Amino acid sequence: DTAVSQTPKYLVTQMGNDKSIKCEQNLGHDTMYWYKQDSKKFLKIMFSYNNKELIINETVPNRFSPKSPDKAHLNLHINSLELGDSAVYFCASSQGVENSPLHFGNGTRLTVT
Amino acid sequence: AQSVTQPDIHITVSEGASLELRCNYSYGATPYLFWYVQSPGQGLQLLLKYFSGDTLVQGIKGFEAEFKRSQSSFNLRKPSVHWSDAAEYFCAVAPGGAGKSTFGDGTTLTVKP
Repeated sequence: DTAVSQTPKYLVTQMGNDKSIKCEQNLGHDTMYWYKQDSKKFLKIMFSYNNKELIINETVPNRFSPKSPDKAHLNLHINSLELGDSAVYFCASSQGVENSPLHFGNGTRLTVT
Repeated sequence: AQSVTQPDIHITVSEGASLELRCNYSYGATPYLFWYVQSPGQGLQLLLKYFSGDTLVQGIKGFEAEFKRSQSSFNLRKPSVHWSDAAEYFCAVAPGGAGKSTFGDGTTLTVKP
């Protein structure tokens, strides 16, 4: 019983396409996140939702649009994919209180050709 | 704004040897501090965290870390490394809770047989 699950695990697509990554958590957490890890393994937060409300929106191109239908799900839609979008995208969740650590999914490796 | 520095990009140790991974942070007050481990192809997993109290914290897999306010450091240690400890290690600081975590650039640990 995976706590934070993402699909797909691998995503290979061409420039200009639109794609989505799905994330679900069964931990009962109220806060979910999207992180991007580049080829040098640097991790940067992209978005955070708390109870379906966007609370963190870092400087991310507006081609990236998160959607949270309920507090257990946070999806990431990417329009007009570019080569520079190639990375590993991690979904994470936390209980939202200050001392609650992040629980990560196993990542989605996106390759744009 | 807070920042995290992991001075060592790559560390190699022999199996059975001791390990210390360095982490320095920059923040005005005492932040929330975390160490995460990322095995190949996996998401990040929490090793340990520090919020207050005893400055030596114990984590999973035999890891411990010591918070030193005077040095703005939160170094990770393990007395005897196992081959399965080979992974990427990330230090993170979160002044306002896990959701606002800033991650260091990571340290890659290689374990020699």
